[in-house]
Amino acid sequence: DAGVIQSPRHEVTEMGQEVTLRCKPISGHDYLFWYRQTMMRGLELLIYFNNNVPIDDSGMPEDRFSAKMPNASFSTLKIQPSEPRDSAVYFCASSLGSVWNNQPQHFGDGTRLSIL
Amino acid sequence: DAKTTQPNSMESNEEEPVHLPCNHSTISGTDYIHWYRQLPSQGPEYVIHGLTSNVNNRMASLAIAEDRKSSTLILHRATLRDAAVYYCILSPTSGTYKYIFGTGTRLKVLA
Repeated sequence: DAGVIQSPRHEVTEMGQEVTLRCKPISGHDYLFWYRQTMMRGLELLIYFNNNVPIDDSGMPEDRFSAKMPNASFSTLKIQPSEPRDSAVYFCASSLGSVWNNQPQHFGDGTRLSIL
Repeated sequence: DAKTTQPNSMESNEEEPVHLPCNHSTISGTDYIHWYRQLPSQGPEYVIHGLTSNVNNRMASLAIAEDRKSSTLILHRATLRDAAVYYCILSPTSGTYKYIFGTGTRLKVLA
């Protein structure tokens, strides 16, 4: 079975450009999570969705970041305008079931983003 | 949010058991204990989770202290492929559904 699919795997762009990261969750999963990982701050949750609806976006660093989930099989994380401090590895994860079921999260391989 | 404390790094010889400790003294009665690991250049991977009783699966065992203030992930025979960062995470069963990843334990396996 296909896992969580993220694209692109690597992105290098100049400061000020718009960046769009994409994620396809595991089919049938109803929760989707976006994380960011840096050496300084470790792995941080940015936002998560349930049934395509954003539930908690308290981890989104600022208004330059936005995330959407137009349908159950696709989500995007957009940064506009991008800044060098946004350089990080961005992970998408999905899971099946509610917190009451305590199902594990399945992570993609991440997008390594470098802003020059 | 309840936090966890883990050693920064540990070493083990190949084919020997490894015990990775985690302290979570502020755990609430309904928090699950999850373990994930992250291999180099990959996303975190689920290992095991439990609530009160010890748990076993094909990857590892989870031993939970009676007072639930600590737990231990046990790899029965470490292999070179087990070299990774291991994260102990508390997952609340009420409120917002989110993980808080700490710094984890970097496990080095020696051949």
